[in-house]
Amino acid sequence: ELKVEQNPLFLSMQEGKNYTIYCNYSTTSDRLYWYRQDPGKSLESLFVLLSNGAVKQEGRLMASLDTKARLSTLHITAAVHDLSATYFCAVDLGRTASKLTFGTGTRLQVTL
Amino acid sequence: ETGVTQSPTHLIKTRGQQVTLRCSSQSGHNTVSWYQQALGQGPQFIFQYYREEENGRGNFPPRFSGLQFPNYSSELNVNALELDDSALYLCASSPQTGSYEQYFGPGTRLTVT
Repeated sequence: ELKVEQNPLFLSMQEGKNYTIYCNYSTTSDRLYWYRQDPGKSLESLFVLLSNGAVKQEGRLMASLDTKARLSTLHITAAVHDLSATYFCAVDLGRTASKLTFGTGTRLQVTL
Repeated sequence: ETGVTQSPTHLIKTRGQQVTLRCSSQSGHNTVSWYQQALGQGPQFIFQYYREEENGRGNFPPRFSGLQFPNYSSELNVNALELDDSALYLCASSPQTGSYEQYFGPGTRLTVT
């Protein structure tokens, strides 16, 4: 059974600081997704990583994938309050279409 | 191009009742997946439909069932509701063309009392 673990579960950081969220998974996969969720809202797609060594960046967020280590990271650069949300990674084992197994989520709180 | 829509937004049901949730997939998408997200948890895969056939199922009992219609919209039915069924139910559609992108709807918040 695929297990997807994120750490930390909760992260409080000051504006302007850098930090990394880690996503470890237990079964080989070369497709990994990062989502953002605001309280009471649906999931917003951030990144889709489709191969070993994939790196994607959007604004202050950068995601990478190491399929050999079964590890993905989401790096936050110079955090701002607007990044406060819960972040989920999800691993895809679907053959012809996505069937996602989500991590536990990391609740990020950026303080002034 | 319209996104994924779900109805209703909120729903309150009593234990033992049955509920139907609806999802309209994004235009051109023929695959619909349903997820259950309990409070404070990550979403869990319930099942997926592709061209009106079930195309994979997660670890959910048979009282969770679904349908997909020729226009690719979908329903999730839950019978004999239990208190633990209280959750946000998310529908996601995807094109079956290899992009592997999933587009999530706004969700239906179900409360079972």
